[in-house]
Amino acid sequence: DAKTTQPPSMDCAEGRAANLPCNHSTISGNEYVYWYRQIHSQGPQYIIHGLKNNETNEMASLIITEDRKSSTLILPHATLRDTAVYYCIVCGTGKLIFGQGTTLQVKP
Amino acid sequence: GAGVSQTPSNKVTEKGKYVELRCDPISGHTALYWYRQSLGQGPEFLIYFQGTGAADDSGLPNDRFFAVRPEGSVSTLKIQRTERGDSAVYLCASSVLGQANTGELFFGEGSRLTVL
Repeated sequence: DAKTTQPPSMDCAEGRAANLPCNHSTISGNEYVYWYRQIHSQGPQYIIHGLKNNETNEMASLIITEDRKSSTLILPHATLRDTAVYYCIVCGTGKLIFGQGTTLQVKP
Repeated sequence: GAGVSQTPSNKVTEKGKYVELRCDPISGHTALYWYRQSLGQGPEFLIYFQGTGAADDSGLPNDRFFAVRPEGSVSTLKIQRTERGDSAVYLCASSVLGQANTGELFFGEGSRLTVL
């Protein structure tokens, strides 16, 4: 599975958009980009995934570059409850391999 | 509907003892995964079941770890001769298909194992 690179931590002001980047330069053509998050002391939670096109759901938007080598997860109006570790995962075999993720701290 | 259920939520044991951790997946989910998570780290893949069979056990660290899913539903992770380094949160997840590019996993809250 392709490896991803994420910044270890980010801050965001409450009510502002949070933009979390992810690099996956070795992604293969049949591999999807998945985003999960993990709030303290809970199991990881699925957010969104995509292959080539940008995706949006009730939680977030996923922007994938045309060459698919990087992506950005956007939380449009971050709240304090969005404070969590966010994992970007490239998956092609049904087995998710988690990295260290980005710790997002939403501040009042 | 019920989510993924894991028991016990906390387990404290002594070095050398045997431990079983149980996972009840979401009804109808054919794929089941075990991960473990140490403090400050991302979840580490252990094993993946498709139905009753282990489709990928490449993450099991050694032969002290074993997992079963005899009827394709409930799974038990078994750890023999526990060591202090086995202390971690053990996470279970299930998904509908578990096939390639179907990575929407539903995780339980985990079982926290502490080996003294």
